[in-house]
Amino acid sequence: GENVEQHPSTLSVQEGDSAVIKCTYSDSASNYFPWYKQELGKRPQLIIDIRSNVGEKKDQRIAVTLNKTAKHFSLHITETQPEDSAVYFCAAYLAGGGADGLTFGKGTHLIIQP
Amino acid sequence: NAGVTQTPKFQVLKTGQSMTLQCAQDMNHEYMSWYRQDPGMGLRLIHYSVGAGITDQGEVPNGYNVSRSTTEDFPLRLLSAAPSQTSVYFCASSYSLFEETQYFGPGTRLLVL
Repeated sequence: GENVEQHPSTLSVQEGDSAVIKCTYSDSASNYFPWYKQELGKRPQLIIDIRSNVGEKKDQRIAVTLNKTAKHFSLHITETQPEDSAVYFCAAYLAGGGADGLTFGKGTHLIIQP
Repeated sequence: NAGVTQTPKFQVLKTGQSMTLQCAQDMNHEYMSWYRQDPGMGLRLIHYSVGAGITDQGEVPNGYNVSRSTTEDFPLRLLSAAPSQTSVYFCASSYSLFEETQYFGPGTRLLVL
């Protein structure tokens, strides 16, 4: 099955600075990589995703990059704001891999310092 | 649309008790799944279903049963609750199995004493 590693587990940045969260995956056949944001006590919500035929995707202050050769993908948040404070999860999807569903990383707690 | 709904929001069980966590969606999604979330562990797939009458195991299925008699509902049954099943449970759904956004329910917080 798929295995997803996520780093760092905690990230503290000054408001206005950029934040980068990195994930690696094990199965080169994985083809879909979403990022979820989870605020305290709330459900995970999709913030951006990327498919294996794309190298980079942007949505306002958020961007995701994918390196298929190295099997890693990253979330970039620019001009961080207090409302960006949350736990972020990366995930990889492998269709037909025996357990069809998303494999999640263990999460990164992003703290935005005022 | 209510989206994905889950009941109850919070439940306390004693070891050995059984219970059913309810999940429903009104988006006509074929794919539904159950995850558990434990501190520092991310979300782990318990069971999933690709359509009515079809279910399969995920990463951590032991101690749980599911059924999918309708497109809308996907209940998760704990057969004999154990303290190790203390967790937050999320139900999710998507239009299809392949490369689709997962919509999560609000979660059920379960405490097994």
